[in-house]
Amino acid sequence: NAGVTQTPKFRILKIGQSMTLQCAQDMNHNYMYWYRQDPGMGLKLIYYSVGAGITDKGEVPNGYNVSRSTTEDFPLRLELAAPSQTSVYFCASSPSGNYYELYFGPGTRLTVT
Amino acid sequence: DQQVKQNSPSLSVQEGRISILNCDYTNSMFDYFLWYKKYPAEGPTFLISISSIKDKNEDGRFTVFLNKSAKHLSLHIVPSQPGDSAVYFCAAILSSNTGKLIFGQGTTLQVKP
Repeated sequence: NAGVTQTPKFRILKIGQSMTLQCAQDMNHNYMYWYRQDPGMGLKLIYYSVGAGITDKGEVPNGYNVSRSTTEDFPLRLELAAPSQTSVYFCASSPSGNYYELYFGPGTRLTVT
Repeated sequence: DQQVKQNSPSLSVQEGRISILNCDYTNSMFDYFLWYKKYPAEGPTFLISISSIKDKNEDGRFTVFLNKSAKHLSLHIVPSQPGDSAVYFCAAILSSNTGKLIFGQGTTLQVKP
């Protein structure tokens, strides 16, 4: 099992550009999450999904979009990147909503300049 | 509004001694708490958890204590080892809340040989 994988590991974007952060898991987990971690701050939830075709907003969804067409994949789309989106992005998964021990990917470090 | 707070950004202890990491929360409705450990350039990994119906949970060298009246939890590591050097995040959840964890800011633990 590869677990939760994320690509790319690093990316530098110019203000106004767009990109998609990829996340995949091979554990057949229904629940998937996107978190961001800013320096000195805890992880904040951007979006989450409880299954294919179902997504919902977390604490900090502005400037992002997600889709969940398959159980395995949960891409995060940034439209019109802004410096405030400079962060480390973590994707996570869990088998169900009442299983709180999330499995995290290694993260994508994004810089917007 | 920071619902989960780790007020000590860093902690340094000698190998073999006890490490105590602290976490405070404001929402008395939280009913499950977790600790995650994070090494550089990796995603967080689950370490230990505790339900609000308990006041202590132990797993090997790691013990979590919960004081509901003080809205405080702590993680004890005994004995501390250099491999324990990492960032530790506490997290809390409302169990009805589809696995949406609220994270603290993290505490960087350094265990000196």
